[in-house]
Amino acid sequence: SAVISQKPSRDICQRGTSLTIQCQVDSQVTMMFWYRQQPGQSLTLIATANQGSEATYESGFVIDKFPISRPNLTFSTLTVSNMSPEDSSIYLCSGGQGNTGELFFGEGSRLTVL
Amino acid sequence: GENVEQHPSTLSVQEGDSAVIKCTYSDSASNYFPWYKQELGKRPQLIIDIRSNVGEKKDQRIAVTLNKTAKHFSLHITETQPEDSAVYFCAANSNTNAGKSTFGDGTTLTVKP
Repeated sequence: SAVISQKPSRDICQRGTSLTIQCQVDSQVTMMFWYRQQPGQSLTLIATANQGSEATYESGFVIDKFPISRPNLTFSTLTVSNMSPEDSSIYLCSGGQGNTGELFFGEGSRLTVL
Repeated sequence: GENVEQHPSTLSVQEGDSAVIKCTYSDSASNYFPWYKQELGKRPQLIIDIRSNVGEKKDQRIAVTLNKTAKHFSLHITETQPEDSAVYFCAANSNTNAGKSTFGDGTTLTVKP
């Protein structure tokens, strides 16, 4: 199975600030995704992180709010910009191989915005 | 896009009983159906999956069935144990959807000792 490391594991942030979450995957992963999981809810896809190019965002998510980078195959960052309390959530990095469909998840980053 | 519905949202069973969780999907192009288990405070982890060319798959106490015609698939857990208590998510994935998975809303399973 793939190994996915994510940091920070949790943070408490002030309204209006931005926070960047880092994700490192091992070489078995070719595709990387960022999900949001609000308390007691399902996983909602934010975007697909594309290596060396702009991420592909899902409906309801925009680059200005959630800029994503993926400078190489095994590393990606998600920034949550200009945070508000509504952004309090768990953000999960995930990776997979497109041909199998199975996803491996990082341990998640729990953000609390005050 | 794909829409996955999952039922029930909560399920409580006695230890040793069976548990069944059902999902339906909308996109006939979906061809990969994984099930993830998420224990409290932990990451989701794959427990079993099935592809569209197979009707049923078993792994010890866990089985998944797929009905492509009706566009539904189910997770069956037999001889449940307290450690089976968790949130279970179904998902659907299509080769035409760039590897993205669409998740159901989750089922909170509680196994009472």
